[in-house]
Amino acid sequence: GAVVSQHPSRVICKSGTSVKIECRSLDFQATTMFWYRQFPKQSLMLMATSNEGSKATYEQGVEKDKFLINHASLTLSTLTVTSAHPEDSSFYICSAPTTIAGGSGELFFGEGSRLTVL
Amino acid sequence: GENVEQHPSTLSVQEGDSAVIKCTYSDSASNYFPWYKQELGKRPQLIIDIRSNVGEKKDQRIAVTLNKTAKHFSLHITETQPEDSAVYFCAARRRDDKIIFGKGTRLHILP
Repeated sequence: GAVVSQHPSRVICKSGTSVKIECRSLDFQATTMFWYRQFPKQSLMLMATSNEGSKATYEQGVEKDKFLINHASLTLSTLTVTSAHPEDSSFYICSAPTTIAGGSGELFFGEGSRLTVL
Repeated sequence: GENVEQHPSTLSVQEGDSAVIKCTYSDSASNYFPWYKQELGKRPQLIIDIRSNVGEKKDQRIAVTLNKTAKHFSLHITETQPEDSAVYFCAARRRDDKIIFGKGTRLHILP
């Protein structure tokens, strides 16, 4: 299946700093990528949709100025958590749908990034 | 927007027995329903999916059924094994192509 790689897998930072997470599609082009957040023992909550060549779209309640998304190329999307606070500590996971003709648009997930803000 | 409800939140079954997880969705335009298995600290893995033009799909011990009229779909795991213990998420694709997840079911396979 398609491969999505995410980096870093773990990051610990001080409150007030910014953290960048990268998501790459390794063997296919992804014009769209999705960013989810997962708190412990909870579901995956869609935060935003990253669109190559245009602005990201955010789900209701997600602060676009806090979670900056850049889709620099057809294989790379980045999520920057700006001025991170302890309540931003979570598991952030990106995904990309397959674009195989006739396919179902199955989502492939990155490994996830566990952010801990001290 | 799309709302996906999933039950139960926790399920314990004896090894070898069957497990059933049920989900409902709200958006009648949803046409794709994947199920994911997630082990602790790892990424979700697709285990089976179904499109709205079929009512049932089976892959070895795993099957999914879809009732479009009632807007619900279910995951069935037969002959459960210890390695089936994990969190399972149902999901539905919204009319804007975004995939929304249920709250998850923690499945415990008892020896």
